[in-house]
Amino acid sequence: DVKVTQSSRYLVKRTGEKVFLECVQDMDHENMFWYRQDPGLGLRLIYFSYDVKMKEKGDIPEGYSVSREKKERFSLILESASTNQTSMYLCASRSRDNSPLHFGNGTRLTVT
Amino acid sequence: EDKVVQSPLSLVVHEGDTVTLNCSYEVTNFRSLLWYKQEKKAPTFLFMLTSSGIEKKSGRLSSILDKKELFSILNITATQTGDSAVYLCAVKEGAQKLVFGQGTRLTINP
Repeated sequence: DVKVTQSSRYLVKRTGEKVFLECVQDMDHENMFWYRQDPGLGLRLIYFSYDVKMKEKGDIPEGYSVSREKKERFSLILESASTNQTSMYLCASRSRDNSPLHFGNGTRLTVT
Repeated sequence: EDKVVQSPLSLVVHEGDTVTLNCSYEVTNFRSLLWYKQEKKAPTFLFMLTSSGIEKKSGRLSSILDKKELFSILNITATQTGDSAVYLCAVKEGAQKLVFGQGTRLTINP
């Protein structure tokens, strides 16, 4: 069974802090994704990666960056956290074919 | 702009009722439509639909796609309190991108 693990379930950070959200998958998937989920807006794609060291911007990349140094790990970085980045962050992965996404349990980030 | 719209946004029914959730879409390069169920944590995969008119079933849940009218429905019969969740519809656009709807929050009262 595919496992996508996000390192933190809840995080509270201050405005201006640098924040790292970590995601690890154990199924050798090529593709990994970061979404944020907000009430009334659904899931919106921040960044995705289709291979090691490769990244593509999603629909809302502003204020975020990503890192994929190893195939199993995809990190989301908030260079200088702001209150409008308070949200639920979901990591997902899938193989290169047309298979469904597998999601992690999410990280609820609060920026004060 | 690619768009996925779900309706209703919220639905409250009694245990045993049948519900129909709707998902309409406008995307430029449709590949497939997916349904997910989200309780308190990770969305879990329910169905993937690629062809019109072929119903997918899993127990009391079923789903069908209409690629001409650009919509899908998710049916749940004989609902149970464990069906309470947010149901997400997503459309795969092109090789990589999934576009999600806002979700339908379903509450089943005993």
